[in-house]
Amino acid sequence: KAGVTQTPRYLIKTRGQQVTLSCSPISGHRSVSWYQQTPGQGLQFLFEYFSETQRNKGNFPGRFSGRQFSNSRSEMNVSTLELGDSALYLCASSLPGGPVTEAFFGQGTRLTVV
Amino acid sequence: AQSVTQLDSQVPVFEEAPVELRCNYSSSVSVYLFWYVQYPNQGLQLLLKYLSGSTLVKGINGFEAEFNKSQTSFHLRKPSVHISDTAEYFCAVSAGKTPNAGNNRKLIWGLGTSLAVNP
Repeated sequence: KAGVTQTPRYLIKTRGQQVTLSCSPISGHRSVSWYQQTPGQGLQFLFEYFSETQRNKGNFPGRFSGRQFSNSRSEMNVSTLELGDSALYLCASSLPGGPVTEAFFGQGTRLTVV
Repeated sequence: AQSVTQLDSQVPVFEEAPVELRCNYSSSVSVYLFWYVQYPNQGLQLLLKYLSGSTLVKGINGFEAEFNKSQTSFHLRKPSVHISDTAEYFCAVSAGKTPNAGNNRKLIWGLGTSLAVNP
């Protein structure tokens, strides 16, 4: 069974640009969550999607957005990039149902904003 | 609101020695607790989880953790570490189902503990 796949693995962008990151969950997983990981702030929850609907949202500005497609693949978009957006962006997929279940993580996309 | 504190940012230890990575949480509701491991340039892998039942939870790679409700702790232990255990370890909490928003599947994370196993 293939794991969670995130593309691209590495990305370098310039301030002011926008970026789109992609996440393909494990087959059968319909819930996809996104996290931002930085050395100073650790892991911070961005949002969760289930059945193409945003179910939970973290405390990030509106420049951060996401969506989920009918095949459960998800994308997140960051517009008007700032230097502080440099981070490892992690996607996790999990089975729906129950209060909480194991989240399976991808290897992440390392975004560097210059 | 929930929060997680990992009391040690770095833990150096010699190979075959025991190790304990400490995690405390705060929450006003019942919680579910997790430990994840992150190897360099990798995503996170679940080590173990506490949902209910026995407070001593055994995970992969010989790790175990004990849920202590009175002390609001969930410390991770291993009796004998290997070089390959060198990694970043994260403690996380989820408040589980909330009354008004259905399942709250958001995980709140500690800042991580860097375990360095030396020969």
